[in-house]
Amino acid sequence: QVQLVQSGAEVKKPGASVKVSCKASGYTFSTYAIHWVRQAPGQRLEWMGLINAANGNTRHSQKFQGRVTITRDTSATTVYMEMSSLKSEDTAVFYCARETRGSYRYFDYWGQGALVTVSS
Amino acid sequence: QTVVTQEPSFSVSPGGTVTLTCGLTSGSVSTTYYSSWYQQTPGQAPRTLIYNTNARSSGVPDRFSGSILGNKAALTITGAQADDESVYYCMLYMGGDLWVFGGGTKLTVL
Repeated sequence: QVQLVQSGAEVKKPGASVKVSCKASGYTFSTYAIHWVRQAPGQRLEWMGLINAANGNTRHSQKFQGRVTITRDTSATTVYMEMSSLKSEDTAVFYCARETRGSYRYFDYWGQGALVTVSS
Repeated sequence: QTVVTQEPSFSVSPGGTVTLTCGLTSGSVSTTYYSSWYQQTPGQAPRTLIYNTNARSSGVPDRFSGSILGNKAALTITGAQADDESVYYCMLYMGGDLWVFGGGTKLTVL
């Protein structure tokens, strides 16, 4: 069965970077895009960006452009999201999600989420 | 910048019907936005309910339905149950490999 398993909770200091992983299994990794979604405590979902697992091409929301790097390791069937220059406002749960194939443009499977806490 | 709008909150009686909407601050939502809907309960990852405007995701009860109503995407819950009490998010595909979520609607069943 399809699974997206994310790395565990992290605590970081302001100005640091964090790298969250999303391990995919149960399907052919390179045939689906993986997206990242941020959710600050009590706040809405925010689409951050995506990676085409086949060719590594990425696209980011303008809000996160330049501060977020999405990469993938095809041999490990894992996607990574790295955010730099962390601020306290970046405290959030980060979800990875698989975009379904075809032209329907939606997410059919989600990771369990990874809490990143930014605190001095 | 165009923002995706949703009602902040809504209330429905058990067994009742409620329609949540998803609009744009500029323009109309049509099928070309491939609207999708997600249900989220506290501490949980979102669950996919509806995609491509009106298609139900696998395992979703048929009391959840999607549509376009006027210039907005809509999610209708018919025969609301207590465990439908959640936050519902719409998501729109804006073209050019860009997606945007709405602000979410907190649904209370009472």
